[in-house]
Amino acid sequence: DAKTTQPTSMDCAEGRAANLPCNHSTISGNEYVYWYRQIHSQGPQYIIHGLKNNETNEMASLIITEDRKSSTLILPHATLRDTAVYYCIVRALTDKLIFGTGTRLQVFP
Amino acid sequence: DGGITQSPKYLFRKEGQNVTLSCEQNLNHDAMYWYRQDPGQGLRLIYYSQIVNDFQKGDIAEGYSVSREKKESFPLTVTSAQKNPTAFYLCASSLGPTQPQHFGDGTRLSIL
Repeated sequence: DAKTTQPTSMDCAEGRAANLPCNHSTISGNEYVYWYRQIHSQGPQYIIHGLKNNETNEMASLIITEDRKSSTLILPHATLRDTAVYYCIVRALTDKLIFGTGTRLQVFP
Repeated sequence: DGGITQSPKYLFRKEGQNVTLSCEQNLNHDAMYWYRQDPGQGLRLIYYSQIVNDFQKGDIAEGYSVSREKKESFPLTVTSAQKNPTAFYLCASSLGPTQPQHFGDGTRLSIL
């Protein structure tokens, strides 16, 4: 069973920041937060992951609350190509990935 | 370019037939995975392999079989025992079980 809760869908204007929330109130101390996205009819794409510190890469930033019970994925300047389903996953390093149904992000012009 | 190649993109099977889906990677990854995705659903793990000549069942292995004779290849056979095989099948690989997984573009299997 997925250990995360995400909104079913979100909208974002092109050029604006997209902030995707994720609740993981039962996260354990050895579990990481991973984000993937899936564009229609393609395989999921790894975005970013973190344990407790905030992380940033060329695609996105991951903000994890101090109590680690929730996190936010930030796409700083959303484009139409960012329209996808975004999956937040918590897992210990040796555990399998468990995908829920994710958040469908629609970026509009 | 390095990546994961799944073929074919679309596959049709007659009832009672076995069919094999191909997954090849040139990323030199040790671990490989097979997932199934049904419409509007998340991914479910079928089989995974952390090293050549070794693999383990995932959550929904019944009706499927795999082999891992080469590091770069992890074919999935959908057997006639799989009663509802119509789905989107995704292959992934990673450097190891602790590393992020990278996915192919999937094979869409349909029953004629």
